[in-house]
Amino acid sequence: AQKITQTQPGMFVQEKEAVTLDCTYDTSDQSYGLFWYKQPSSGEMIFLIYQGSYDEQNATEGRYSLNFQKARKSANLVISASQLGDSAMYFCAMREWTSNTGKLIFGQGTTLQVKP
Amino acid sequence: DAGVIQSPRHEVTEMGQEVTLRCKPISGHDYLFWYRQTMMRGLELLIYFNNNVPIDDSGMPEDRFSAKMPNASFSTLKIQPSEPRDSAVYFCASTAERYGYTFGSGTRLTVV
Repeated sequence: AQKITQTQPGMFVQEKEAVTLDCTYDTSDQSYGLFWYKQPSSGEMIFLIYQGSYDEQNATEGRYSLNFQKARKSANLVISASQLGDSAMYFCAMREWTSNTGKLIFGQGTTLQVKP
Repeated sequence: DAGVIQSPRHEVTEMGQEVTLRCKPISGHDYLFWYRQTMMRGLELLIYFNNNVPIDDSGMPEDRFSAKMPNASFSTLKIQPSEPRDSAVYFCASTAERYGYTFGSGTRLTVV
């Protein structure tokens, strides 16, 4: 069964510094996708970045990059040059493609606070 | 596109009352998901539909919860009777692509 683990309930980072949010996953599927979402205090879920299990390069989207280590089953989110607006809850999620269930399963989330 | 539209944004109801949450997915999306978010349990998948057909409802907590998708543009999640422990934010999401699940703004339900 698919499982997502985020072991950092809360993180602090200084403005303009980089921060890494951890995510490990478990799946028996060979084809899967990993997602990161941001949830600010206003509550909406904002899609940030996607990594496919067969993608050879780490995904990047602006200041967001995904450090994908397949053998270790980790998909850490790296935010470069943190901004005050990055303060939010961040969720890692996974979908298994071979089973094609369509289910997107989330980790428990990490709360990030950016300090000025 | 207006995105995934949920209504109401906030709902306060008394214990024992029926509650109906509504969702309009993005046109053309063939998957629709209902999630519940609480501090204790995080984001839980309750049920999801593919082409209007319920595929997996194993996350629905009890028989008090039911969900329908009568057509491609509308889904409801109903709780009857409601209980205080149902208080949570309920999200609807839809997708048709390999990535890009789009979430609605959520319904914050408070049962008193």
